[in-house]
Amino acid sequence: AQSVTQLDSQVPVFEEAPVELRCNYSSSVSVYLFWYVQYPNQGLQLLLKYLSGSTLVKGINGFEAEFNKSQTSFHLRKPSVHISDTAEYFCAVSGPGGGADGLTFGKGTHLIIQP
Amino acid sequence: NAGVTQTPKFRVLKTGQSMTLLCAQDMNHEYMYWYRQDPGMGLRLIHYSVGEGTTAKGEVPDGYNVSRLKKQNFLLGLESAAPSQTSVYFCASRWDDPPMNTEAFFGQGTRLTVV
Repeated sequence: AQSVTQLDSQVPVFEEAPVELRCNYSSSVSVYLFWYVQYPNQGLQLLLKYLSGSTLVKGINGFEAEFNKSQTSFHLRKPSVHISDTAEYFCAVSGPGGGADGLTFGKGTHLIIQP
Repeated sequence: NAGVTQTPKFRVLKTGQSMTLLCAQDMNHEYMYWYRQDPGMGLRLIHYSVGEGTTAKGEVPDGYNVSRLKKQNFLLGLESAAPSQTSVYFCASRWDDPPMNTEAFFGQGTRLTVV
């Protein structure tokens, strides 16, 4: 079984400031890791994913995340946020079985950008 | 280039009524999923399918049934709706081709209210 913990339910940050959204996971096997973004009244959109290789992963809209196996973390970062980044962000984990394991989601972090 | 399409987008049911939510994907994905999203709970897996004619229970299957008669369609049924089933429902699909193709693609959601 696998689980995901997003350590902050809400993160307020000023526009143009850097932000880090924290995600920790637990799994007894190697995993694939994802960050999804959900804008108001929309579905989920993939921001970035870690499958293997380089631990620093770059995604869309200037976001990046770093996989840390020893700390079982996959924190999401952006050096300078914009008002349009206001959204709900979900960290997710999938086991090596691929589709049969589905995706296990964290409870989400609401990123609030203040002007 | 439709991706994953959910119908309907909104629905209000009375307690005890039944309904079916339809999910259709045009990407030839093997795996399909139904999630529900509730405030502060993230996304929880209801049922999933690993191929045409197969279904399996997820984390919160009670009160729901599913069918996958055609590869491109995944139906979620509520036989006797209850107020606890008021939620936003998301369908997702994905390839079974790890490690390169593992991310899920989501529909826009169905907002269901049971009164």
